[in-house]
Amino acid sequence: AQRVTQPEKLLSVFKGAPVELKCNYSYSGSPELFWYVQYSRQRLQLLLRHISRESIKGFTADLNKGETSFHLKKPFAQEEDSAMYYCALSGLGQGAQKLVFGQGTRLTINP
Amino acid sequence: DAGVTQSPTHLIKTRGQQVTLRCSPKSGHDTVSWYQQALGQGPQFIFQYYEEEERQRGNFPDRFSGHQFPNYSSELNVNALLLGDSALYLCASSSSGGAYQETQYFGPGTRLLVL
Repeated sequence: AQRVTQPEKLLSVFKGAPVELKCNYSYSGSPELFWYVQYSRQRLQLLLRHISRESIKGFTADLNKGETSFHLKKPFAQEEDSAMYYCALSGLGQGAQKLVFGQGTRLTINP
Repeated sequence: DAGVTQSPTHLIKTRGQQVTLRCSPKSGHDTVSWYQQALGQGPQFIFQYYEEEERQRGNFPDRFSGHQFPNYSSELNVNALLLGDSALYLCASSSSGGAYQETQYFGPGTRLLVL
């Protein structure tokens, strides 16, 4: 079964503090993992994907196949990071594959 | 480029009715995927259209059907509406080219309320 679990529905941290949003997955085979973000009044957009190994807006995420996790991290949170974050997975393949999303974590950065 | 557009933005229907939602993909994209997002949940994959055919389908009943037109735009149809069909319906477009999973770009969604 394909499943993505984000154990925290809400996460609140102070500006300048480190942030970690947790994501665990179950998948038969080698999935591709993504983090999507939705800022207030904006559409869902891709933040980063494990295959590109990029750091976007200071966020990084490492795929840990042993623990089946893909946690999102940022060393110093900024107020503009407040948003809804979704972890998602798909199978590997040409073209767009269906995305399986977690329930999401609402991140609030307090001043 | 306006990106992915969806219409209408909001819709209210009653149980048993039928609804059609529309999506125009981002310029240059030929693949359209539809997702349902219930309140407080993550998006759930309904189906995907490519070359005017349904290519993948999620765990949704046959009441949910779709269509893709030659200009790559797409429609989602839901028959015999149930209260549980109330949700935000998201359309995502992508390109079929490339060796790896293409990035999906999401529209703003259509919020459907079934009374």
